Amino acid sequence: SQQGEEDPQALSIQEGENATMNCSYKTSINNLQWYRQNSGRGLVHLILIRSNEREKHSGRLRVTLDTSKKSSSLLITASRAADTASYFCAPGGGFGNEKLTFGTGTRLTIIP
Amino acid sequence: EAQVTQNPRYLITVTGKKLTVTCSQNMNHEYMSWYRQDPGLGLRQIYYSMNVEVTDKGDVPEGYKVSRKEKRNFPLILESPSPNQTSLYFCASGWDYQEAQYFGPGTRLLVL
Repeated sequence: SQQGEEDPQALSIQEGENATMNCSYKTSINNLQWYRQNSGRGLVHLILIRSNEREKHSGRLRVTLDTSKKSSSLLITASRAADTASYFCAPGGGFGNEKLTFGTGTRLTIIP
Repeated sequence: EAQVTQNPRYLITVTGKKLTVTCSQNMNHEYMSWYRQDPGLGLRQIYYSMNVEVTDKGDVPEGYKVSRKEKRNFPLILESPSPNQTSLYFCASGWDYQEAQYFGPGTRLLVL
């Protein structure tokens, strides 16, 4: 299975600033998903971007996908304390890749 | 309300005592999976199921069993639990492995 690797492992920013986290993967994909996890809770799906899309928006979230570099980024604008969480990417699809595998995530802390 | 439920939420048991963690979804999803989450290791997929009576191993299947007799239920069975199976377990479901996954609230298991 293919696992995404999130970078950085941890990120602390002031409330109101923008937060950017990155995801790299190794083989071709059909799509890539981003999830959020509040401490100890189940993951929540944020956004899915397909391999033929370069950018996608959802509220304060912006996701980009560069298939030539095998990387994606998640931008959270105007961060809020409630955005404090871990964020995971999950590269999906591709021939024979029926598993959805997650990395270790980026731990985002918003400082009030 | 669309949801994935897991029971029990917390469980303390002893080595070798068989246990089952139940998972149920009410969204008629075909794809279901189990993950374990450990500090520093992220989420690792244990087993997944593409549909009723179709199950397959994820990345860490050793020591676990699953069954998918009905579309809505996907129990995780530990025939002889060991301390290294102490972990936080999540069940998830989705229309397909390439689509958004809905996660349960998690089951914290401690094996003494």
